Amino acid sequence: ELKVEQNPLFLSMQEGKNYTIYCNYSTTSDRLYWYRQDPGKSLESLFVLLSNGAVKQEGRLMASLDTKARLSTLHITAAVHDLSATYFCAVDPTSGSRLTFGEGTQLTVNP
Amino acid sequence: ETGVTQTPRHLVMGMTNKKSLKCEQHLGHNAMYWYKQSAKKPLELMFVYSLEERVENNSVPSRFSPECPNSSHLFLHLHTLQPEDSALYLCASSQTPTSGNTIYFGEGSWLTVV
Repeated sequence: ELKVEQNPLFLSMQEGKNYTIYCNYSTTSDRLYWYRQDPGKSLESLFVLLSNGAVKQEGRLMASLDTKARLSTLHITAAVHDLSATYFCAVDPTSGSRLTFGEGTQLTVNP
Repeated sequence: ETGVTQTPRHLVMGMTNKKSLKCEQHLGHNAMYWYKQSAKKPLELMFVYSLEERVENNSVPSRFSPECPNSSHLFLHLHTLQPEDSALYLCASSQTPTSGNTIYFGEGSWLTVV
């Protein structure tokens, strides 16, 4: 059974600081997704990583994928309050978009 | 207009009721999904439809019955639910049910079973 683990589950950080969220998974896969969810809202797609070594950046967020280590990271640079949300990683071990999600990392950025 | 629209946004139902959740996607996608998001649990895939045909049923109890009349609409029929079925039900769609496509989620339907 595929397991997807995120670390940390709760993260409180100050504006301007950098931090990394980790996503480990237990089965071979080269397809990993990152989503953001604001309270009471839907999931917003952030990144789709499709190969070993893939790196994507959007604003203050950068995601990477190491399929050999079965690890993806979401790096936050110079955090701002607007980044406060819950971040999910999801893995698709098959070819059919059947995503298995991590528990989510609840990020709070304090002024 | 959002890409994936779900109604109702909130639903309270008794354990003997029958209700339905509706999802409509305006993205021209061929695959649609139902996910369940419970408190303190990861999102769980329930059903996958491709070109209106169910291709995955992730061991979901029969009290949940999906229906996909066309590639733009997806329903989740609910009957004799249990309180533990209370959750956020998210509909999603993608270009195809093959890997690597971005999956777009609706805003969800909050279900409370009393």
